[in-house]
Amino acid sequence: GAVVSQHPSRVICKSGTSVKIECRSLDFQATTMFWYRQFPKQSLMLMATSNEGSKATYEQGVEKDKFLINHASLTLSTLTVTSAHPEDSSFYICSAGDTGRRLFFGSGTQLSVL
Amino acid sequence: QKEVEQNSGPLSVPEGAIASLNCTYSDRGSQSFFWYRQYSGKSPELIMSIYSNGDKEDGRFTAQLNKASQYVSLLIRDSQPSDSATYLCAVTKAGGTSYGKLTFGQGTILTVHP
Repeated sequence: GAVVSQHPSRVICKSGTSVKIECRSLDFQATTMFWYRQFPKQSLMLMATSNEGSKATYEQGVEKDKFLINHASLTLSTLTVTSAHPEDSSFYICSAGDTGRRLFFGSGTQLSVL
Repeated sequence: QKEVEQNSGPLSVPEGAIASLNCTYSDRGSQSFFWYRQYSGKSPELIMSIYSNGDKEDGRFTAQLNKASQYVSLLIRDSQPSDSATYLCAVTKAGGTSYGKLTFGQGTILTVHP
């Protein structure tokens, strides 16, 4: 099956720093990728839709200047959490759709901001 | 009212029994319905997808959809301890990139005890 690689799997950073998370589709091209966030004991919440070659579409309540998304190629989307704060600590997961509109999830990134 | 609602559980069943998981959704425009399994600290894994009313069976899993009642369920036959996980119900609308904009329920914790 298709594989979506997400890196890093875990990151600990100091408050105020920026963190970049990468999401790669390894064996298919993904014109669209999706970024989700999951707080402890809560469900996944869609943050934004990442479109190759164009600006991301953010869900209501998600700060686009804080969560920068870049989808520069058909196999890579990045999410940068800028000036991270403890309340940004969460599990971030990407998903990518292939041409058949099947969705594949990355392995997730656990972000802890001290 | 939450868009997608599930009983958070925990649901505990003995090994070999049938586990029944339920989900209701509020948006009548929802077209696609999914059940994901998520182990702690891991990303969701697709178990079943269903798009039309009725039952869909795949091995030990059966998904049931009733659009009139806005209800979708998952039955797991011959439950195994390895089935112990959080089960997430997700729905999406058809069209454009909406296929990837999943709305998740809060998940039901299933425990299968030997």
